[in-house]
Amino acid sequence: DTAVSQTPKYLVTQMGNDKSIKCEQNLGHDTMYWYKQDSKKFLKIMFSYNNKELIINETVPNRFSPKSPDKAHLNLHINSLELGDSAVYFCASSAEAIRESSYEQYFGPGTRLTVT
Amino acid sequence: AQSVTQLGSHVSVSEGALVLLRCNYSSSVPPYLFWYVQYPNQGLQLLLKYTSAATLVKGINGFEAEFKKSETSFHLTKPSAHMSDAAEYFCAVSDLSNFGNEKLTFGTGTRLTIIP
Repeated sequence: DTAVSQTPKYLVTQMGNDKSIKCEQNLGHDTMYWYKQDSKKFLKIMFSYNNKELIINETVPNRFSPKSPDKAHLNLHINSLELGDSAVYFCASSAEAIRESSYEQYFGPGTRLTVT
Repeated sequence: AQSVTQLGSHVSVSEGALVLLRCNYSSSVPPYLFWYVQYPNQGLQLLLKYTSAATLVKGINGFEAEFKKSETSFHLTKPSAHMSDAAEYFCAVSDLSNFGNEKLTFGTGTRLTIIP
């Protein structure tokens, strides 16, 4: 059973297009995240949602809009794609940090976005 | 603000030799520290974590890390490298006391190559 899944795995599109990446987790977690990994492998958080409420927005251009229809899903919609948006996007989820020792973020397999 | 520095973007060791990947952190509050591994074209997998319990943490695949507050370090080690250890390794820090904002701040990663 896949804990955190993302679709599509690969996405190739042209500049100016609008695209979406979907993420689903079946772990019953309350918090979900989007991370961006650039060509140098640097990982940076973009957004986090807790129970469908936006918690973290790390100065991401407003062309990026996360949407959480329910706490098991967090989708990422990107408008007017630019060359610099090419990256691997990772979704992750975690349970409430009720017990610190149990805290862990589980990552999806990633979506490689290529903008041409 | 929290940050992580990984010394050495590339590390090569011979099969059977000691693996040492360095991570230093900066945090104004007690940190929670993580090591993740990323195999080629895959998502991130948690190797181990420090969440204020024992300072020597054992993880999966024979890896361990020691939290040293005086040195602000959390270096990852494995006594004997195996070919299957070749991957990208990321150190990350989180502030779990900031409930609902438990984002991970990642280092820039270290690519581990195993020489046969």
